Amino acid sequence: DVVITQSPLSLPVTLGQPASISCRSSQSLVYSDGNTYLNWFQQRPGQSPRRLIYKVSNRDSGVPDRFSGSGSGTDFTLEISRVEAEDVGVYYCMQGTHWPPYTFGQGTKLEIK
Amino acid sequence: EVQLVESGGGLVQPGGSLRLSCAASGFTFTTFWMNWVRQAPGKGLEWVANIKEDGSEKYYVDSVKGRFTISRDNAKNSVDLQMNSLRGEDTAVYFCARGNPPGRYWGQGALVTVSS
Repeated sequence: DVVITQSPLSLPVTLGQPASISCRSSQSLVYSDGNTYLNWFQQRPGQSPRRLIYKVSNRDSGVPDRFSGSGSGTDFTLEISRVEAEDVGVYYCMQGTHWPPYTFGQGTKLEIK
Repeated sequence: EVQLVESGGGLVQPGGSLRLSCAASGFTFTTFWMNWVRQAPGKGLEWVANIKEDGSEKYYVDSVKGRFTISRDNAKNSVDLQMNSLRGEDTAVYFCARGNPPGRYWGQGALVTVSS
């Protein structure tokens, strides 16, 4: 199974400051069709996961443009340009290239400092 | 509006069985894979199983193989998860999610507690 490693696991951030989360996979996530199936999810307290980014860098509709995804191969990053209070929650990356199973990172808990 | 609504959660003793259901609406159900993803209390997300649009392919995480069965009823726009031989480590909120891989639409979750 593909192992996904996120860092940091805890991320205290001052309002208005940027934040960055790293996601590394144990093998390349490039699929045979040329796509890279690496998605990012946000889970606010008490809520279901919400997809923010799909295929590395594509933002879902309704997701603020302060969220961006980048990376390739085995190394990926989610960046928030200016953290707002509503961004508090846990962020997960998930690979959909080598399945079954789909695998998630451990989660990064973002809190306001 | 896409909606996924899980039901059937509850308290069950170790070794017991439970059946979860997910009612889908707001989209053409027969054109999407469907998944179950779980989250143990205070823990991260774990994909459990998925099923192809026509039900011809089903896949499971190793820890539930032989105990859980995913099925779908395309006439009723629903996907079920039959859980047998339940263990304490199966205690979790179980989410229904659409897509291959699980994507934008998730249900609100159903809590399954395995305890004596």
